[in-house]
This record gives sequence, structure tokens and C-alpha cells, in this order.
Amino acid sequence: DGGITQSPKYLFRKEGQNVTLSCEQNLNHDAMYWYRQDPGQGLRLIYYSQIVNDFQKGDIAEGYSVSREKKESFPLTVTSAQKNPTAFYLCASTIAVTALTEAFFGQGTRLTVV
Amino acid sequence: SQQGEEDPQALSIQEGENATMNCSYKTSINNLQWYRQNSGRGLVHLILIRSNEREKHSGRLRVTLDTSKKSSSLLITASRAADTASYFCATDSYYGGSQGNLIFGKGTKLSVKP
Repeated sequence: DGGITQSPKYLFRKEGQNVTLSCEQNLNHDAMYWYRQDPGQGLRLIYYSQIVNDFQKGDIAEGYSVSREKKESFPLTVTSAQKNPTAFYLCASTIAVTALTEAFFGQGTRLTVV
Repeated sequence: SQQGEEDPQALSIQEGENATMNCSYKTSINNLQWYRQNSGRGLVHLILIRSNEREKHSGRLRVTLDTSKKSSSLLITASRAADTASYFCATDSYYGGSQGNLIFGKGTKLSVKP
């Protein structure tokens, strides 16, 4: 079945630690996105990538980093510079950034700082 | 930056009743989409309406778009307990001259009581 897989589902981070959230898609989509969701805040765009080896900052990129070495994969690293990382993280993909068709979402990763 | 704003923030109805949610946005758009999110899960695409369309139907869903008022509504008819979820509108926006990112509102939390 085609879709987006995020892992892990739950992640705990200690203060000062970097953690990486995985996002893999087998939809052959060019564009991939990372969103952060806080209660009552809706979804906010962290980073997006239109094509392999290219990515752009979204609204709240500070404290995060990404890579896009393969079309299928768009991992997100939450660095120690992100002071309030506890949130629900969602990865999504679309056929292409300019196509503006529906976005497919993974099931999310809930990150908690302990 | 928040493009769409849903109204109401929360809605509680009885099974069988209709549920109406509204979305207002700020800038011109190419299309508007509605998504559903069950608690703790990823978003699922419901319907896309293009800026030159005024109304669209999909099963028990009816979406309207009024570009002069920069608003859209989602109507769920004959609601069921399984419709309990959060509903988000999303519009396209531009980053650095590149078209195509989806900007989400904060959502309407719908509760359908059996």
C-alpha cells in the first residue's frame, strides 16, 4: 500500500539532546513537508522540500534541520537549539509543490522532553 | 503565518444533525482544501475546491467557497458518532516566490453524540 510512514510514534528527548524523526513515502511524490502541531495552534510549517537535495525553511525552522538525500525520505532533526520541542510532528507529501493537489500525511510522532 | 481561521473552535451536536464549519482566509487563493484529523492521528484529505468553483459535494460533505468574502464552509449532513474529529481548512500560499505550500487554520473540533 502506498503511503507515508513516520517513526517512531512516541519519542522522548532529554534536555540538550538532538533527536531525529523519520519520514518515508512510497508515493513517488516530489514534495515533502514537516509540520508541528501544538494544542489550539493548528499546523505550522517547519521545512519543505520540492525535490531531492533541496529544501526550504517554513515559518518556524529555527532549532530544526532536515535533509533530502533520497526522494522517499525526509528526516527531521530537532536540535538542542529548539527550546520548546514538545509537540506533535506531522510529515506530509504532495505530487509536487506547484501541483497543489491533496496532501498525504503520516500518523505523526509525539515528541516529549523529559 | 495563519491563513485560514475556522469557526467555531468547537461544535457539539447530536447524531443525525447537520454540522457546519466555516473558514475565513486573508489573501487570494488558487484552491481551498478541507482535512479531517482523528485524535492523535495524521490528517486525511476530504475535499478540494478550486477558486473558480462555488460548491462541491462528496458523499455527506458539501463545501462552498465565496472568494468575494474570502470564506468557505463545510457542511456534514446526517452526522454520525464516527464523524467526531477535528476539521481543518487549508489554503495555498507562497514562500520565496515558490507557489504551493498549504497553510492550515487552527481547526474546528466536532463532537457528535450518539
